[in-house]
Amino acid sequence: DTAVSQTPKYLVTQMGNDKSIKCEQNLGHDTMYWYKQDSKKFLKIMFSYNNKELIINETVPNRFSPKSPDKAHLNLHINSLELGDSAVYFCASSQAGTGDSPLHFGNGTRLTVT
Amino acid sequence: GDSVTQMEGPVTLSEEAFLTINCTYTATGYPSLFWYVQYPGEGLQLLLKATKADDKGSNKGFEATYRKETTSFHLEKGSVQVSDSAVYFCAPSRSNAGNMLTFGGGTRLMVKP
Repeated sequence: DTAVSQTPKYLVTQMGNDKSIKCEQNLGHDTMYWYKQDSKKFLKIMFSYNNKELIINETVPNRFSPKSPDKAHLNLHINSLELGDSAVYFCASSQAGTGDSPLHFGNGTRLTVT
Repeated sequence: GDSVTQMEGPVTLSEEAFLTINCTYTATGYPSLFWYVQYPGEGLQLLLKATKADDKGSNKGFEATYRKETTSFHLEKGSVQVSDSAVYFCAPSRSNAGNMLTFGGGTRLMVKP
């Protein structure tokens, strides 16, 4: 049973297109996240949602729009894709809390913009 | 803001060698500290954690001690195996942001037979 699942695993598209990445968790967690990992493995938080509500938006361009239809899902839609958006995007979830609950990560979506 | 500094890799060791990966952090408040491991083509997995000063987290032969006075959380293992080859990430929980973690660039470990 996959705890945090993302689809698709690979996404290749051209500049200017719009694409979505889906994420689902079956752990019963209240909080979900999107992280971006660049080619040097540097991981940066993009968004955090708690029980369907946005709580963190780390100065991500407006072209990125997360949507959480329920607390088990957090999808990421990207408009007008740019070359610099190429990266691996990770979804994660955790129990709500005060900082000692670990994050559970999906296996990532490798986005390549050409 | 919160940040993490890890030694840049790759760290290349022979099997059964001793491993240390240094990690220092800056954070306001009193974060919990985590080490995550990323195997090729996979997401990050929790390796160990510590939630208060002088706590030692341990798992699979890896250990790290929460040193508040030096704001460090160095990862150690007495005898590495080829299967330990991966990228290791140190991460403090972010101040005033629940369980969100601050990551750096990780340290790649390569273990040769």
